[in-house]
Amino acid sequence: AQSVTQPDIHITVSEGASLELRCNYSYGATPYLFWYVQSPGQGLQLLLKYFSGDTLVQGIKGFEAEFKRSQSSFNLRKPSVHWSDAAEYFCAVGKASGGSYIPTFGRGTSLIVHP
Amino acid sequence: DAGVIQSPRHEVTEMGQEVTLRCKPISGHDYLFWYRQTMMRGLELLIYFNNNVPIDDSGMPEDRFSAKMPNASFSTLKIQPSEPRDSAVYFCASRNGISNQPQHFGDGTRLSIL
Repeated sequence: AQSVTQPDIHITVSEGASLELRCNYSYGATPYLFWYVQSPGQGLQLLLKYFSGDTLVQGIKGFEAEFKRSQSSFNLRKPSVHWSDAAEYFCAVGKASGGSYIPTFGRGTSLIVHP
Repeated sequence: DAGVIQSPRHEVTEMGQEVTLRCKPISGHDYLFWYRQTMMRGLELLIYFNNNVPIDDSGMPEDRFSAKMPNASFSTLKIQPSEPRDSAVYFCASRNGISNQPQHFGDGTRLSIL
């Protein structure tokens, strides 16, 4: 069975600083990988996804993530954080099922941005 | 385009009462998922449907929980009888499985059982 680990429960950064959120997965085959963001009182919004191809993936809001098979990682990065990026971030891995996939989510990392 | 629509947004009720949560998926999406989010357990998949048919309900915590999808544009999650430990935010998500697109989430229903 697949699993996702987000080792950091909370991350605090200053506005304008760079950001990296860690995600490690366990899955026997080539995974489908996702990062979602959740603002308070809202549902999860997709930031970016990796299915195949280029291992560096660009997403919305200036985020990117890099798939590293050797490290079983899919870390999320942003070069300069804005106060509006404060939110909960979820990594997910998709398990193949009947020609499609079913995602499993990590526990999330809460991002706090200091002015 | 309209996103996934959930109702109600908030529900407060007393223990023992029946609770019904509703979801309208995005038109054309053939997968529908129900999740529960709590501080203790994170985001848990309860059940998912493909073409209105329940595929995996192994995440449904107890027989008090049931879910239906009578047609492609509507699903319900019912709790009967409700208990305080059912208090959580319940999310519905839908996806176009044919094109392997990612899930789209609704804004959730915040459920409080007193």
